[in-house]
Amino acid sequence: QSVLTQPPSVSAAPGQKVTISCSGSYSNIGNNHVSWYQQFPGTAPKSLIYDTTKRTSGIPDRFSASKAGTSATLSIAGLQNGDEADYYCGAWDTSLRGEVFGGGTKLTVL
Amino acid sequence: EVQLVESGGGLVQPGGSLRLSCEVSELILNDHFMDWVRQAPGKGLEWVGRTSNKVEGFTTYYAASVKGRFIISRDDSRDSLYLQMNSLKIEDTAVYYCVRDFGAGWGQGTLVTVSS
Repeated sequence: QSVLTQPPSVSAAPGQKVTISCSGSYSNIGNNHVSWYQQFPGTAPKSLIYDTTKRTSGIPDRFSASKAGTSATLSIAGLQNGDEADYYCGAWDTSLRGEVFGGGTKLTVL
Repeated sequence: EVQLVESGGGLVQPGGSLRLSCEVSELILNDHFMDWVRQAPGKGLEWVGRTSNKVEGFTTYYAASVKGRFIISRDDSRDSLYLQMNSLKIEDTAVYYCVRDFGAGWGQGTLVTVSS
């Protein structure tokens, strides 16, 4: 049971836009920055977004993120087949004094 | 280009110990927060622990699941981060990643298998 809640899967057709939600609480998303990661099978995660909305160097502007209250959202516009991967959100939890992650969302490009 | 290279994984019996290493390059280790994150086979990411940078006093934090069993240390003269894992349990089986600066960069991971 992950501290942050993500949908297990999302899907959309190439060219469309998809959003992935990440729900937490006051002690994590509500008061700390959120990060987003992309992971392809058999490889290490890669940073997409840090400090809630900032794109990591080299990440195309098709990827964007936002936060409202205790929830965060990753948006991917102009979907490409190469975007098919697992996506994770993460944030520091002030109460737990540790980093917490969502359970991951598998993106399928139809 | 900053690189993180983990080593030291392998097969260990329950109750045993293992030390993982993470060698960094193109990075002054002292200046950076470093984490260990693990991923059990077919599962999601689980944070293991963190060591802060020199300015923050190299403070360490641990997940409840490993506190008292795992120890994070660093040797800046060797550009290396370590994870000493003791009293290993079957549920510690995972790929262990070395991570810098709140997720900015990840190593390739090293597999730890705890099994009799």
